[in-house]
Amino acid sequence: DTEVTQTPKHLVMGMTNKKSLKCEQHMGHRAMYWYKQKAKKPPELMFVYSYEKLSINESVPSRFSPECPNSSLLNLHLHALQPEDSALYLCASSGGDSGIYGYTFGSGTRLTVV
Amino acid sequence: GDSVTQMEGPVTLSEEAFLTINCTYTATGYPSLFWYVQYPGEGLQLLLKATKADDKGSNKGFEATYRKETTSFHLEKGSVQVSDSAVYFCALSGPQETSGSRLTFGEGTQLTVNP
Repeated sequence: DTEVTQTPKHLVMGMTNKKSLKCEQHMGHRAMYWYKQKAKKPPELMFVYSYEKLSINESVPSRFSPECPNSSLLNLHLHALQPEDSALYLCASSGGDSGIYGYTFGSGTRLTVV
Repeated sequence: GDSVTQMEGPVTLSEEAFLTINCTYTATGYPSLFWYVQYPGEGLQLLLKATKADDKGSNKGFEATYRKETTSFHLEKGSVQVSDSAVYFCALSGPQETSGSRLTFGEGTQLTVNP
């Protein structure tokens, strides 16, 4: 299995809702990432988990809450989002701590906040 | 800090034309270099990579050579197809940090190939 699977593919939520994005990989990768991508822009790093511990938080607002329940799963909990948070949310993983071999990205969750 | 500069798009070519997308970088140490491709409505796919100077990455007819002396990693393809239409991102990964690595992206280049 050489894939990163993200669910759901599309999500529409109101500003008072709570929802979660899910990401799963079975490649034995020990680093997992959340990125946010706005239209016609490169992905922006949000969080990095290494060996199931949060290692990088790029000053992301607290309405985004990551969780890594085990080495194969990564969640992003969403609460009280704003319309400007609408974007494509990408999960990725990489082998070990180094990105030397590149990341494997999921196909993303397209989030719309109304 | 690390940065990646890509040639601005969009780039429009006819089928079977030659493609070059320029990419230069600024980084400390010896980064790994990547090209990612994003098709409409999808995530990013690793197209090719190079991890040290003079390495050539290649995949699906695309090539790029890690040039340390010019800090460049230009993407080339001899004959593009309509199916190559996508956004291409040049990226680098710096030396291993304390844990987890940071991927720095260029702004992306939109390629459209017409029949």
